[in-house]
Amino acid sequence: EPEVTQTPSHQVTQMGQEVILRCVPISNHLYFYWYRQILGQKVEFLVSFYNNEISEKSEIFDDQFSVERPDGSNFTLKIRSTKLEDSAMYFCARRRDSSYNSPLHFGNGTRLTVT
Amino acid sequence: GESVGLHLPTLSVQEGDNSIINCAYSNSASDYFIWYKQESGKGPQFIIDIRSNMDKRQGQRVTVLLNKTVKHLSLQIAATQPGDSAVYFCAPDGGSNYKLTFGKGTLLTVNP
Repeated sequence: EPEVTQTPSHQVTQMGQEVILRCVPISNHLYFYWYRQILGQKVEFLVSFYNNEISEKSEIFDDQFSVERPDGSNFTLKIRSTKLEDSAMYFCARRRDSSYNSPLHFGNGTRLTVT
Repeated sequence: GESVGLHLPTLSVQEGDNSIINCAYSNSASDYFIWYKQESGKGPQFIIDIRSNMDKRQGQRVTVLLNKTVKHLSLQIAATQPGDSAVYFCAPDGGSNYKLTFGKGTLLTVNP
């Protein structure tokens, strides 16, 4: 079983609509990440989140994207106005401990389909 | 910029054979490397990792070899089983915010 739970498993939305993807990691972990994977392509970094702040974001993570951890547990990714090219698998990940050399553990993802 | 590439995009082996999946990386500052397995419809699953102060690490049926001189690592799977069929990614972790950079992946198919 993955160490993070993502909801929903599949989200279908119309272009221009807002979507919120959710991740429920084990509490008291500090490092969280969002990655995406367009069908048939590699897993791409979107954003890292440390101590309730964005610590790094990629070029993909433009003004249409935002992340937050509103209640100290759920970790959300919001896409304000979805585009067709946002269709992808979105993976949440967390680092089990704060040591530098430790692996990321991923959820099973949310498949986002924008029509 | 940093790039991660894989020598073989697909690999087909017979059940019981050993598999070798290769990965080249470009960032000489990378000092920690992780191999992930991704099955259809699932997220990347951690398999094994290795730090740059090592050149070999063994797990259960898997071995990772690291050659920092040529910036190359490999994943060896012994006695490959049908359940090993998946896409395998190498992911160097070095530099900013401990993020990982994934390659395109190698599709391993195990034939019964």
